[in-house]
Amino acid sequence: ETGVTQSPTHLIKTRGQQVTLRCSSQSGHNTVSWYQQALGQGPQFIFQYYREEENGRGNFPPRFSGLQFPNYSSELNVNALELDDSALYLCASSLDELPGSGELFFGEGSRLTVL
Amino acid sequence: RKEVEQDPGPFNVPEGATVAFNCTYSNSASQSFFWYRQDCRKEPKLLMSVYSSGNEDGRFTAQLNRASQYISLLIRDSKLSDSATYLCVVNYGGTSYGKLTFGQGTILTVHP
Repeated sequence: ETGVTQSPTHLIKTRGQQVTLRCSSQSGHNTVSWYQQALGQGPQFIFQYYREEENGRGNFPPRFSGLQFPNYSSELNVNALELDDSALYLCASSLDELPGSGELFFGEGSRLTVL
Repeated sequence: RKEVEQDPGPFNVPEGATVAFNCTYSNSASQSFFWYRQDCRKEPKLLMSVYSSGNEDGRFTAQLNRASQYISLLIRDSKLSDSATYLCVVNYGGTSYGKLTFGQGTILTVHP
């Protein structure tokens, strides 16, 4: 186990709704990154939070937003859900923006289905 | 063109076989390279980093060719437990320091 926990593990929403996904990072890690993984694809970078501030963002619209809390846990919020938002959302933690080893510790993900 | 491209496979090989995966990346400014492994319905995990001189970890050998912007992973003496999706991963550094760019993954199934 990586020590990164995500909730909920599965959820179903309808188009237009909003969703909040949560992530607790591994103890001692100050950086959280969020990735979206559609079926049959590799993970795509959404954004990263480092010491409570957004520190880089991928090619995702503003309706994808996030937060990082003082304990370094994080939330991903998606507004106005679309069918294409159906995916596995992965949270990864690391010590600092990217450790030299390149190792991100991923949680098991939240599987979102939008109907 | 995708930033990181892999042959999606699937590759179906018998136990004991040698199998090679290839990956190309489009950004010549890429700074670091990795292979991740993802088991079915699980999270990705780092398999190994890829160094310019090539590197080996047991049955796994990774190679990098910066001139051709090409990365490879060789698995020797395949085991049933090697069945997974193998993700080629690139980090561009600079302002994208914290961002990893993943290929779509190559599916490997090792059968008895």
